[in-house]
Amino acid sequence: DAGITQSPRHKVTETGTPVTLRCHQTENHRYMYWYRQDPGHGLRLIHYSYGVKDTDKGEVSDGYSVSRSKTEDFLLTLESATSSQTSVYFCAISGQGKGNTIYFGEGSWLTVV
Amino acid sequence: AQSVTQLGSHVSVSEGALVLLRCNYSSSVPPYLFWYVQYPNQGLQLLLKYTSAATLVKGINGFEAEFKKSETSFHLTKPSAHMSDAAEYFCAVSDRAGANSKLTFGKGITLSVRP
Repeated sequence: DAGITQSPRHKVTETGTPVTLRCHQTENHRYMYWYRQDPGHGLRLIHYSYGVKDTDKGEVSDGYSVSRSKTEDFLLTLESATSSQTSVYFCAISGQGKGNTIYFGEGSWLTVV
Repeated sequence: AQSVTQLGSHVSVSEGALVLLRCNYSSSVPPYLFWYVQYPNQGLQLLLKYTSAATLVKGINGFEAEFKKSETSFHLTKPSAHMSDAAEYFCAVSDRAGANSKLTFGKGITLSVRP
């Protein structure tokens, strides 16, 4: 158990609506990441954070924003969901110790109809 | 820029047979390489990682991988497949081994194990 909780785990939403996914960690790790997983693409980095209020864009950041107001929480927001954002979203964390390994959450399945 | 190529999307082996999952990488700096496993409806779990120490890396569940710089490869092997090995496997590369590692993943390979 990597101490990562993602919510919601499953969500169906309509095109054009805003959606926020939450990642909560209990490890006090500095670094947090959001990836999306799509068939034939593996996992691709959306945004990442290297501390409170410090975030940066990843490979596929268009249409997404993030916020990190506390060490333990990293929020991913789809401002206006589109069908192309139907995906499985994974939060990951890493920090000093535990071999600096990146640990992944269980995933959030998002369907945009 | 870094990239990972995992040829093929599906590998099928018989129980007890050798498992070989191929991974080739491209990196302009010394790479750090990882193999992750994903069981159905679960997150990713680290199998093993290469961080410039020994070129032969042993991981969990009997898996190992060998870093070959001349071939830019990091293939994953297991001498004898078990039914519980059926899962999706991802190879990933990073330009650092520390906590601030942004992984670039391959497309993944689904391993099926036949009785």
